[in-house]
Amino acid sequence: DIQMTQSPSSLSASVGDRVTVTCQASQDIGNNLSWYQQKPGRAPKVLIYDASNLETGVTSRFSGGGSGTDFTFVISDLQPEDIATYYCQQYQSLPLTFGPGTKVDLK
Amino acid sequence: VQLQESGQGLVKPSGTLSLTCLVSDYSISGNDWWVWIRQPPGKGLEWLGYLYSRGATYYNPSLQSRLTLSMDTSKNQFSLKLTSVTAADTAVYFCARTKTMVTRYFEYWGQGALVTVSS
Repeated sequence: DIQMTQSPSSLSASVGDRVTVTCQASQDIGNNLSWYQQKPGRAPKVLIYDASNLETGVTSRFSGGGSGTDFTFVISDLQPEDIATYYCQQYQSLPLTFGPGTKVDLK
Repeated sequence: VQLQESGQGLVKPSGTLSLTCLVSDYSISGNDWWVWIRQPPGKGLEWLGYLYSRGATYYNPSLQSRLTLSMDTSKNQFSLKLTSVTAADTAVYFCARTKTMVTRYFEYWGQGALVTVSS
């Protein structure tokens, strides 16, 4: 199985801050990575696919990058509505696996 | 595409957990993977498996011996059965659909159904 790790596990930031989350795969996954946002009591929502492509309708304040084993997710200008938990997910091979999540809240 | 989970909210230990996902505004008979994912309370996401209208099914090896996925195209729904459940199977269960057969991220999700395993 491909193991996904994320850091940090949680962070506090202020409105307007630039927030960066990293995701690392235990083996090369190319660019087969997506990022999700999950708010309490809600289903996850895809934000980024193929490591750096913004899903239709998602704000451009979100961006992603990387390939191979190391990936980043950035919120360029943190807003109150961005408070959520963020997950990465690889789809290079089965079983499909998620990172453990990064909880983002307001300082 | 709209997905809606339904099924038991409470299952006894050693029993069988059964859930159905009704899909609206889209036919499940096409070239798509239909997916089950779960999330224990306060924890992360786990892919359980997916199935395709032409009959292919793939399971997470961690659950393969207990899990069965099936599809009823006449009702436009797909289902999950998990046997010999324990408290560790308590979770919110989501159904979802991947973007394409190859690009297997989860584009559409149901709202989730909480299943509690308890006597």
